[in-house]
Amino acid sequence: NAGVMQNPRHLVRRRGQEARLRCSPMKGHSHVYWYRQLPEEGLKFMVYLQKENIIDESGMPKERFSAEFPKEGPSILRIQQVVRGDSAAYFCASSSTGREENTIYFGEGSWLTVV
Amino acid sequence: AQKITQTQPGMFVQEKEAVTLDCTYDTSDPSYGLFWYKQPSSGEMIFLIYQGSYDQQNATEGRYSLNFQKARKSANLVISASQLGDSAMYFCAMREGGGSTLGRLYFGRGTQLTVWP
Repeated sequence: NAGVMQNPRHLVRRRGQEARLRCSPMKGHSHVYWYRQLPEEGLKFMVYLQKENIIDESGMPKERFSAEFPKEGPSILRIQQVVRGDSAAYFCASSSTGREENTIYFGEGSWLTVV
Repeated sequence: AQKITQTQPGMFVQEKEAVTLDCTYDTSDPSYGLFWYKQPSSGEMIFLIYQGSYDQQNATEGRYSLNFQKARKSANLVISASQLGDSAMYFCAMREGGGSTLGRLYFGRGTQLTVWP
C-alpha cells in the first residue's frame, strides 16, 4: 500500500507569494492531520480534518493559513502571503478508525523555504 | 508545562548494543496514548510504536519496546541490538483523550541517536 503522499517535497517561495501543499492520505484512511516542524524543534499540531470537515484547527495560525480536505482529491494546506517565519517542514499524517486509529502515519514532509 | 520532555539531546551507542531513550510526559487526562517516531536525516517521520494508557503490558514491535511506567509518567523507548541504520532523531509524542483530539499529538524536542561500529 502506498503511504501518505505529500507534494511538493521542496518548495521555494518569495515573501508575499502563496504556498500550497498537498497531501493524499493512506488508502482507507479518513483522518488527515497537518503538523509544522520548525528548525531544531519537534512537530507542532496545526489541524485535523475529515472529508469536507475541519474537526480541530486549534493549532492553526489565525491568519494566512487554511486547510481543506475535499470530498474528492488531496488535502491542501494553503499559506497566503508567506513570510520568512513560515519556512519550515510541513508534515501531513493520516489514520484510520477503530482499532487502527492509534497508528498515525506521517508523510515525508514538504520543506518550505521563503526567500 | 511541557507535555513531553526528552532530556537527552544526543545519545551514542555501539552497534549491537541496546539503548534506552528517555521520555517523560505530563497529563491529567486518564486516557492518553504515547508514540515514538524516528526521523532519519532524509526527513521522513517513521512510526515505531504505540502504548495506550490502559494497556496492561509494555508495547513491543520487533527490536523496539516501550518501557511504560505509569506512576512515574515515563515512556522510555528501548532499542535492542542497535544497527547503523538506527542513527536518527527519535521523537516521543502523546495524545490526550480521543474524539476531536484524535490527531493532536504533543511532541518532545527529540533525541539524536548515533550508532557507531
